[in-house]
This record gives sequence, structure tokens and C-alpha cells, in this order.
Amino acid sequence: KAGVTQTPRYLIKTRGQQVTLSCSPISGHRSVSWYQQTPGQGLQFLFEYFSETQRNKGNFPGRFSGRQFSNSRSEMNVSTLELGDSALYLCASTLGQASTGELFFGEGSRLTVL
Amino acid sequence: AQSVTQLGSHVSVSEGALVLLRCNYSSSVPPYLFWYVQYPNQGLQLLLKYTTGATLVKGINGFEAEFKKSETSFHLTKPSAHMSDAAEYFCAVILFGTGTYKYIFGTGTRLKVLA
Repeated sequence: KAGVTQTPRYLIKTRGQQVTLSCSPISGHRSVSWYQQTPGQGLQFLFEYFSETQRNKGNFPGRFSGRQFSNSRSEMNVSTLELGDSALYLCASTLGQASTGELFFGEGSRLTVL
Repeated sequence: AQSVTQLGSHVSVSEGALVLLRCNYSSSVPPYLFWYVQYPNQGLQLLLKYTTGATLVKGINGFEAEFKKSETSFHLTKPSAHMSDAAEYFCAVILFGTGTYKYIFGTGTRLKVLA
């Protein structure tokens, strides 16, 4: 059974640009959560989507947005990139909503903003 | 504020020695508790979890953790460290509110195993 797949794995952008990251959950999983991981802040919750609806949202500015498609694949978008957005962005999927427990993580998309 | 605290951002142990990674949470209601492990250039993988029932939880790779409500702790232990245990470990909780929940991670503890 394939795991959570995130693309691209690495990318470099400049300030002011925007970026879209993709996440394909484990087959059958309906919930996708996104996290930002940085050395100083650890893992910070961005948002969770379940059955194409945003069910939960962290404390990030509106520049960070996401969506989920009918096949449960999810994308997150960051507009007007800032240097501080450089991070590893992790996607996690679960069968039900994330509140039920175990998250299955992808390997992440490492974003560098210059 | 509700939070998760991991004492020690870096822990070093000798191979074969006891591993003890500390996690305390702050919540008026017992949360669900988790330990995840992250190897370099990989995502996080669940080691073990506590939701209800027996407070001593056994996980993969010989790790276990005990939920102590009176101490609001969920420390991770392994009797004998192996070189392959070198990784970063994250404690996490799910805190439930009225009709909502928060999945909160600690800042992580990097475990180094010395030969």
C-alpha cells in the first residue's frame, strides 16, 4: 500500500513569489492535514481537510491556503512568499478525521525562500 | 495555555543504556497522547499512542510510555538503546474542546546514541 506522497520534494523560490505543494494521501484516507516544520518552532499545524471541507485551521496568515479534491488529494498554496516561510512542509493523512488519532506523514516538501 | 513540553532538545545515551525522553502536557482534560519518530529526510512515524485504558503503552522498536495523569506526563522509554534509535522524537497531544480539537506537537528531542 503506497504511503503519503508529497511533491515536489525540494523547491527554491524568491520572495514575493507563490508556491503550490501537493499531497496524495494513502488510498482510502479522507483526511489530510498540513504542518510547517522549522528548527525553531517545531511542527506547527496549518489546516486539516476532510471530505473536501476545511475542518480545522491553525494560526497562520491568509497567505497560506489549501484545498482538497474529490479524490482526497490536497494542495496547499503560499502566496507572496517571505523568507520566514522557508521550512519543511509536511502532509499527513488519516482514515477518519485527525482527531481519531494516528497521522501518516509524507516525507515533506522542503521550501527555501531566497 | 494548552501546550506540550519536551525537556531537552538534545539527549545523548550510550548504546545499550536506558533511553528516557520526557514529555509534559498542559491541559485540564486528559488528552490523547502520542510519540512520533522522525529519521533524517523522512516524515514522522508513529511509535505509540495513548487514548484510554491501560496507562502503560507499548510501541514499536521496543519503546514504551506511561501516562501519568497526576504528573501530566507521558515520558518515552526504552531499556536498551540501539544505534538505529538515533533520530528526532516528537511528543504530541490531541486536545479536545467544544466541537473542536487541536493536534499539538512538542518541539522535539534529538536522540544521539554513542557507540
